Amino acid sequence: AQKVTQAQTEISVVEKEDVTLDCVYETRDTTYYLFWYKQPPSGELVFLIRRNSFDEQNEISGRYSWNFQKSTSSFNFTITASQVVDSAVYFCALSRINTGGFKTIFGAGTRLFVKA
Amino acid sequence: ETGVTQSPTHLIKTRGQQVTLRCSSQSGHNTVSWYQQALGQGPQFIFQYYREEENGRGNFPPRFSGLQFPNYSSELNVNALELDDSALYLCASSFRGGSGYTFGSGTRLTVV
Repeated sequence: AQKVTQAQTEISVVEKEDVTLDCVYETRDTTYYLFWYKQPPSGELVFLIRRNSFDEQNEISGRYSWNFQKSTSSFNFTITASQVVDSAVYFCALSRINTGGFKTIFGAGTRLFVKA
Repeated sequence: ETGVTQSPTHLIKTRGQQVTLRCSSQSGHNTVSWYQQALGQGPQFIFQYYREEENGRGNFPPRFSGLQFPNYSSELNVNALELDDSALYLCASSFRGGSGYTFGSGTRLTVV
């Protein structure tokens, strides 16, 4: 069975602080995709990153960085120098690679509050 | 390039009624998936359509059904609405063989 756990329900930080959102996943598949999405109050899910299971290189994109560790089944997301506009719910997700029934499993989300 | 659009944005229905939600896929995308997101939870996969056929289904009863049209737009139909069906319904389109979704802003359904 596939499962995504985001143990942090809510995180509150002050602007300019760094914050890390944790994600742990379970899957029996040897190849899979991992995602992070942002959901602002407007409701739409905004794609942030996709990582293939065979690519364990960490990635940095501006203030965002991702640490994928297959050995611990974790895919953590760090925001550096947080801003008020980063306030949203963040979801980690897992899906099989391009099989019939492209089903993505989402975690329960972490609500991030960034205070000015 | 247009994104995914969903209609209506909000809807209130009475228990036992039927509802149809609509989704227009992003240009160039041929696969559409529907998700249910209850308050405070992550989205739950309902089903996916590719070439007008259901191509995968989550743990939802048969009263949840869908359609995909030749232009890749889609409908989600829910019969015999229950109070627990109250949720945000998200549509996502993708290109089969690709790896990521584009999500719409969702339809907020309230069943009273």
